[in-house]
Amino acid sequence: GAVVSQHPSWVICKSGTSVKIECRSLDFQATTMFWYRQFPKQSLMLMATSNEGSKATYEQGVEKDKFLINHASLTLSTLTVTSAHPEDSSFYICSADRDRGGGGYTFGSGTRLTVV
Amino acid sequence: AQSVTQPDIHITVSEGASLELRCNYSYGATPYLFWYVQSPGQGLQLLLKYFSGDTLVQGIKGFEAEFKRSQSSFNLRKPSVHWSDAAEYFCAVGAGSSASKIIFGSGTRLSIRP
Repeated sequence: GAVVSQHPSWVICKSGTSVKIECRSLDFQATTMFWYRQFPKQSLMLMATSNEGSKATYEQGVEKDKFLINHASLTLSTLTVTSAHPEDSSFYICSADRDRGGGGYTFGSGTRLTVV
Repeated sequence: AQSVTQPDIHITVSEGASLELRCNYSYGATPYLFWYVQSPGQGLQLLLKYFSGDTLVQGIKGFEAEFKRSQSSFNLRKPSVHWSDAAEYFCAVGAGSSASKIIFGSGTRLSIRP
């Protein structure tokens, strides 16, 4: 149990276009999901907390208008990278809080974004 | 503020040898602590977690970790490594009101010598 599906697993897009990444909890409901970014050979940096039915909470330094987050249902959060540029190329990973703080954090398999 | 330090960037051990990966944390209260493993280009897999209780935590794949409050440490151990253990290992602390916001250390890359 406790599977988080992330789609797509990799995507290549042109500069200036937008890319949407989906994060789904397959067998549980997640009122909170988290989006992380990982640069090559570096650690994961929390970008934002996605809250079902309300606005996302962004970490300091993360551009809200660049990284749009929508958490429209209890099983789906989306991250849209708008007007993508090569510096947005990275590995994006989501996680879902299964147990509302009880330790059931499940991560998706990640999305490799390459902007050319 | 919560933080996690993994002092070893890269460790190489021989197959069959024992392993210990170091992790130190900074947190004002009793922390929620985690160890994750990441294979190249893959997502994260939870190896084990500590919330309370027994300070020696058993995880998957033969890993264990010991919480030492006096040393603010949560080191990961395995008595005998296998070639398939080569990966990146992240120590993390749960932050936020429900401790569900995970703050990661910088990671330790483990290589296995045949």
